[in-house]
Amino acid sequence: NAGVTQTPKFRILKIGQSMTLQCAQDMNHNYMYWYRQDPGMGLKLIYYSVGAGITDKGEVPNGYNVSRSTTEYFPLRLELAAPSQTSVYFCASRAGENIQYFGAGTRLSVL
Amino acid sequence: KNEVEQSPQNLTAQEGEFITINCSYSVGISALHWLQQHPGGGIVSLFMLSSGKKKHGRLIATINIQEKHSSLHITASHPRDSAVYICAATTGNQFYFGTGTSLTVIP
Repeated sequence: NAGVTQTPKFRILKIGQSMTLQCAQDMNHNYMYWYRQDPGMGLKLIYYSVGAGITDKGEVPNGYNVSRSTTEYFPLRLELAAPSQTSVYFCASRAGENIQYFGAGTRLSVL
Repeated sequence: KNEVEQSPQNLTAQEGEFITINCSYSVGISALHWLQQHPGGGIVSLFMLSSGKKKHGRLIATINIQEKHSSLHITASHPRDSAVYICAATTGNQFYFGTGTSLTVIP
């Protein structure tokens, strides 16, 4: 099994551009999460999903959108990128009351 | 004020030492997680616990619900244990993370 796969691994955006960070899991997990990790700061939850068709905001949702049309995929959309969105983004999934499995991360710079 | 506080922020140990990392939280939780972030950035979940103690190899995690405190212990530490250890508290579907403890184990 591949686990949780994130693409791309690295990306540089210009201010105002848009992009979608991809996340896929092949473990049939119902829960999926998007986090951001800023240098020297803890992970912060952006959005989460408890199943296909159901998403909800986390601690820092502004400037982002998500969708969950299938169990496997949970893309994160950045509209009008800003320098404050420069960060490392992690996607994770879990099944029920179990540990999370993390993707390798996407390092994003907005210049 | 952070909902989750970890101590120490940085820790250097000699190989073989017993290590303790502490986590205090201020929110009511459904579970407490310990994560390990490798120098390359990858994150691995170590434990999820809501009471008592869990053990996996040389790692032991404990939680005291009344005191809102959890500890991660590493016995017989090894240089490959060098990583950032992160505590996270779950309240329903929300996760609150500590800023991590950076551990360096010297041979």
